Amino acid sequence: DIVLTQSPALAVSLGQRATISCKTNQNVDYYGNSYMHWYQQKPGQQPKLLIYLASNLASGIPARFSGRGSGTDFTLTIDPVEADDTATYYCQQSRNLPNTFGAGTKLELK
Amino acid sequence: EVQLVETGGGLVQPGRSLKLSCVASGFTFSSYWMYWIRQAPGKGLEWVSSINTDGGSTYYPDSVKGRFTISRDNAENTVYLQMNSLRSEDTATYYCAKDVGNFMYTTGVMDAWGQGASVTVSS
Repeated sequence: DIVLTQSPALAVSLGQRATISCKTNQNVDYYGNSYMHWYQQKPGQQPKLLIYLASNLASGIPARFSGRGSGTDFTLTIDPVEADDTATYYCQQSRNLPNTFGAGTKLELK
Repeated sequence: EVQLVETGGGLVQPGRSLKLSCVASGFTFSSYWMYWIRQAPGKGLEWVSSINTDGGSTYYPDSVKGRFTISRDNAENTVYLQMNSLRSEDTATYYCAKDVGNFMYTTGVMDAWGQGASVTVSS
């Protein structure tokens, strides 16, 4: 199985940049696409897709969110951070079955 | 507007069965791969199952293979998860989700999620 590693938590000030990383133990690239996706989950809510295929913004997601990376190293950036962005962020790979998720990074405000 | 509504959760004893349903609306259900994902209390997300557009192909992780069965009824816009031989470690909120694209293949990208159904396995 592909293992995804995320830092447990990150504290950022309002208006600053937040960078959340996700590292995999295997390459998730395939035919020019990186099968890495990002979700936001707030307490008591279902996850919401933010970024798919490493860098594509999902429908309705503000441009403050962006993703980049390839191979085994990926980042989700939120710039500038707003109060509503406090949540847990999960990366997920779909290069190989089983689809796997990172353990999540909890974003808090300083 | 895309909507996914899960039902069928509840409290069940270890070793018993439960069947979850997810009714979809707001998109052409028969054109999309569908997924079940679960989240144990206070834990992260775990993919549970995938099903292709006509229901002919299904996939599971080892943790549920042989015990869980995903199926779909395209006439009823519904995807199901039959869970047998339930264990305490199956206690979780179960979400259904749809694929981002209406392709014959799966992208594994889950662009809409239901609100979840809570399953508790306990004696």
